[in-house]
Amino acid sequence: GAVVSQHPSRVICKSGTSVKIECRSLDFQATTMFWYRQFPKQSLMLMATSNEGSKATYEQGVEKDKFLINHASLTLSTLTVTSAHPEDSSFYICSARDLTGPYEQYFGPGTRLTVT
Amino acid sequence: DQQVKQNSPSLSVQEGRISILNCDYTNSMFDYFLWYKKYPAEGPTFLISISSIKDKNEDGRFTVFLNKSAKHLSLHIVPSQPGDSAVYFCAASVTGNTPLVFGKGTRLSVIA
Repeated sequence: GAVVSQHPSRVICKSGTSVKIECRSLDFQATTMFWYRQFPKQSLMLMATSNEGSKATYEQGVEKDKFLINHASLTLSTLTVTSAHPEDSSFYICSARDLTGPYEQYFGPGTRLTVT
Repeated sequence: DQQVKQNSPSLSVQEGRISILNCDYTNSMFDYFLWYKKYPAEGPTFLISISSIKDKNEDGRFTVFLNKSAKHLSLHIVPSQPGDSAVYFCAASVTGNTPLVFGKGTRLSVIA
């Protein structure tokens, strides 16, 4: 199946700093990538839809100035958590939709962010 | 309002038996349904999908059934294996490049 990578897999940062998470589709092109957040024992919460070459679409309640999304190419989207706070600590997962396929989304392995 | 519901947070099954995971949805516009499997601290892995024009799709040990009139789908795993122990998410989508809507997941434990 299609492969999506995320980097880093784990990151610990101090309050007030910014952290960038990369999401890459390795063997297919994706005009659309999605960013999710998962709290312990909860479902995946969609944060935003990232479209190549245009602005991301954020879900209600997600601060676009705090969670900056850039979709620079058909294989790369980045999520930057700016001025991180401990409550931003979570598991962030990206997914990408194959241009040639129907509606399957392929997920990255996730990034565990801990803000101290 | 939760559009995709997985009412059983957990399920325990003996190895070799059938596992049945259920999912209900409320949005009649959904026309594509997917099941994902997730291990802790990993991203979800796509398992199987079904279009609303079908009522059954089979892939090896996994079969998904769709009952449109009841707005219900189920995932059957037979025979269940210990390696199937994970959280299973049901997801639904409307035609087009729209985000998937996920249920809260069901934790399956297959006991040897």
